[in-house]
Amino acid sequence: AQKITQTQPGMFVQEKEAVTLDCTYDTSDQSYGLFWYKQPSSGEMIFLIYQGSYDEQNATEGRYSLNFQKARKSANLVISASQLGDSAMYFCAMREGRRRDDKIIFGKGTRLHILP
Amino acid sequence: DTEVTQTPKHLVMGMTNKKSLKCEQHMGHRAMYWYKQKAKKPPELMFVYSYEKLSINESVPSRFSPECPNSSLLNLHLHALQPEDSALYLCASSLNSVGDGTQYFGPGTRLTVL
Repeated sequence: AQKITQTQPGMFVQEKEAVTLDCTYDTSDQSYGLFWYKQPSSGEMIFLIYQGSYDEQNATEGRYSLNFQKARKSANLVISASQLGDSAMYFCAMREGRRRDDKIIFGKGTRLHILP
Repeated sequence: DTEVTQTPKHLVMGMTNKKSLKCEQHMGHRAMYWYKQKAKKPPELMFVYSYEKLSINESVPSRFSPECPNSSLLNLHLHALQPEDSALYLCASSLNSVGDGTQYFGPGTRLTVL
């Protein structure tokens, strides 16, 4: 079974609209971390936002927020006021357990296209 | 500063060549990672170094040989590669024993094996 599921292979959104990218995860660990990364066509993986499993508040970083619903095992990324530069591949990822140097598991990604 | 640097940016090599990829970070991170990414796929973990010791090898073929000479530097030595090894190779680092385990990635090396 997939540990990280991103059900939207591609999305087209009008500039300045808000965007929600879906991510569900599967783990039996109590301690885990959830990440979102952005990968433009240049290839670099850019860290966007982190949510710890014990964090009670949803994480926010500028225009990015993570809608964390623990009971539903959902960690959707919300981008407010989208910009043309937001066009990229977006990966949801999870680290299980307490070890900080352990591997993180990536979803298959969502390709986001922002339309002018 | 969350910068991880990788050299070279692009590499073309024949199947009999020996080459090396280099990754460097000066953030005081003690865990470093190598990933392989094929087009339109997520990154796949290859190796993890923790405190300069190899802690995870994801059953990578021996034609890929990692090396961590010090806490800031990570190399990936390549020998007798196959055309299917052509991919984007990403290096990452994380703080390790403290922090949330966020991995910071370099810009990658695009490798083509002829």
